[in-house]
Amino acid sequence: QKEVEQDPGPLSVPEGAIVSLNCTYSNSAFQYFMWYRQYSRKGPELLMYTYSSGNKEDGRFTAQVDKSSKYISLFIRDSQPSDSATYLCAMSDPTGGFKTIFGAGTRLFVKA
Amino acid sequence: IAGITQAPTSQILAAGRRMTLRCTQDMRHNAMYWYRQDLGLGLRLIHYSNTAGTTGKGEVPDGYSVSRANTDDFPLTLASAVPSQTSVYFCASSADRSGYGYTFGSGTRLTVV
Repeated sequence: QKEVEQDPGPLSVPEGAIVSLNCTYSNSAFQYFMWYRQYSRKGPELLMYTYSSGNKEDGRFTAQVDKSSKYISLFIRDSQPSDSATYLCAMSDPTGGFKTIFGAGTRLFVKA
Repeated sequence: IAGITQAPTSQILAAGRRMTLRCTQDMRHNAMYWYRQDLGLGLRLIHYSNTAGTTGKGEVPDGYSVSRANTDDFPLTLASAVPSQTSVYFCASSADRSGYGYTFGSGTRLTVV
């Protein structure tokens, strides 16, 4: 079993839709949770990060962490064609030398 | 523009040849990393360096070596390339090994034939 599981998609939605992207994990030591966005033929860029449980909002993006369920989510409101990219979750364990594990990524297409 | 520069952008390499992928950052970050990205497998850590002069092995280090002579440069060397090393390679950095906030380069697409 992988430490971090992420549905690869692809996920196709119409412009303006609310998008929900999710990851599950098995290591309860993860404390830092990140979402990266990766455009085609580019490197990942950090989109959001949260520490421990709770929600964090930044514009149209909301990150949620549910440590009791070992489940994290990224919500995108009013999705735009420019949001079309691969979204990778990542998690870090501070007790294990801050080992960071990435999900395989979910490809998102937002249709105009 | 502050960030990470990787070279070359892409390369086709004959099996058995030696290759060094270059990575330079101008953010004065202490920690640097090399990842490979393969379809369905995501990003896997090859080697890392917490600070200049130190390096460590990641999840998939076999066949690769790194050095960190100074803060800015972190080259990755394939001593004798094999087809299974065909991948997209990303260099990344962070201010420290605090668990979040990696800055990635644009990647090197390597094909070993």
